[in-house]
Amino acid sequence: GAGVSQSPRYKVAKRGQDVALRCDPISGHVSLFWYQQALGQGPEFLTYFQNEAQLDKSGLPSDRFFAERPEGSVSTLKIQRTQQEDSAVYLCASSLVAGQETQYFGPGTRLLVL
Amino acid sequence: GQQLNQSPQSMFIQEGEDVSMNCTSSSIFNTWLWYKQDPGEGPVLLIALYKAGELTSNGRLTAQFGITRKDSFLNISASIPSDVGIYFCAGQLGYSGAGSYQLTFGKGTKLSVIP
Repeated sequence: GAGVSQSPRYKVAKRGQDVALRCDPISGHVSLFWYQQALGQGPEFLTYFQNEAQLDKSGLPSDRFFAERPEGSVSTLKIQRTQQEDSAVYLCASSLVAGQETQYFGPGTRLLVL
Repeated sequence: GQQLNQSPQSMFIQEGEDVSMNCTSSSIFNTWLWYKQDPGEGPVLLIALYKAGELTSNGRLTAQFGITRKDSFLNISASIPSDVGIYFCAGQLGYSGAGSYQLTFGKGTKLSVIP
């Protein structure tokens, strides 16, 4: 398909384990965003890439969270030493350029930390 | 993090009824957006508003960008069963600079339609 894809769709991790979540944006989209959505809440911004440059990481909740987009396409969100409060849906969105361009969301990765 | 004030939190309505929901913010946004999210899926854009005072329609959906730039509402006319889902408002500064591109979301309005 031509949409944003994310993998895995579901991840169960034991507390303290490291996890890596992948996002494949729409081909040619310059901008890529990561959001965290807790149960019953709206998505909250984590970080933003323009091509391979991480221009805004103000929403990352701690230094356990790390994101990269080395070649300006696929992005990985890594969470080290997971904790129960990290349990949430992690959404990736991409847009053609920056600014007011529509952000298209992927289906999300549902992370459960036990 | 900041979330917009969205109301109502949930609604139960009869099929065919009109629906209205709104969103307010303590700060100004230059773009207002309305998304719908189905279970297990990501949000899907319904309507985007780029100008204060703008009224925009998309089929049975109508949304307005408040004059103060601090609020927006969404109306759904003649609701049908497939309107069930969670509706989110979102604001974006979008002027320039990386910090302005992120979306700030409301907590959502859960819509249930009774056939």
